Amino acid sequence: AQKVTQAQTEISVVEKEDVTLDCVYETRDTTYYLFWYKQPPSGELVFLIRRNSFDEQNEISGRYSWNFQKSTSSFNFTITASQVVDSAVYFCAFPSDSNYQLIWGAGTKLIIKP
Amino acid sequence: EAGVTQSPTHLIKTRGQQATLRCSPISGHTSVYWYQQALGLGLQFLLWYDEGEERNRGNFPPRFSGRQFPNYSSELNVNALELEDSALYLCASSLIPGEDYGYTFGSGTRLTVV
Repeated sequence: AQKVTQAQTEISVVEKEDVTLDCVYETRDTTYYLFWYKQPPSGELVFLIRRNSFDEQNEISGRYSWNFQKSTSSFNFTITASQVVDSAVYFCAFPSDSNYQLIWGAGTKLIIKP
Repeated sequence: EAGVTQSPTHLIKTRGQQATLRCSPISGHTSVYWYQQALGLGLQFLLWYDEGEERNRGNFPPRFSGRQFPNYSSELNVNALELEDSALYLCASSLIPGEDYGYTFGSGTRLTVV
């Protein structure tokens, strides 16, 4: 079965703290993509990153970084020096092997307090 | 470049009525996807249209239907509305259907059934 698990339902931190959002996936595929999206209160889903399973190097984009560990089927997302504007729901997603659609985790609601 | 636009932003309907939601993809994108985001259920894939044809549908009853017009815009119709249809309906478009997963999402239509 293919599945994406985001075990953290809600995380609350104080501004400037670092925070890591966990994502664990299950797949039979040997090659695949993994995604992270951000959903601010306005509702739209904002694309953050797409990674191919070939590339296990960590990626950094400004205050955002992603740690991909194929051995543990995890694709975790870290925000460094969090800001109030980072408050949103964050989704990890993974393509279905049957119909090219994304399978979504349940999302992690991140609250950054000033 | 205009993003994916959805209308209306909010829609309130009575149980048993029909709802029509609209989506305009990014210029040049031929694929349109519909997702339902119901409270507590996460994002669920509804429908995928490409080049005017329905390519795939998720596990939803036939009263959820839609179409894609020659200009690639799309309509989602929900007939015989039920209370549990209340949700945020998100539309996404992509240039390359299927494996690219290069989705751009709109801000959604929030449907409330009373």
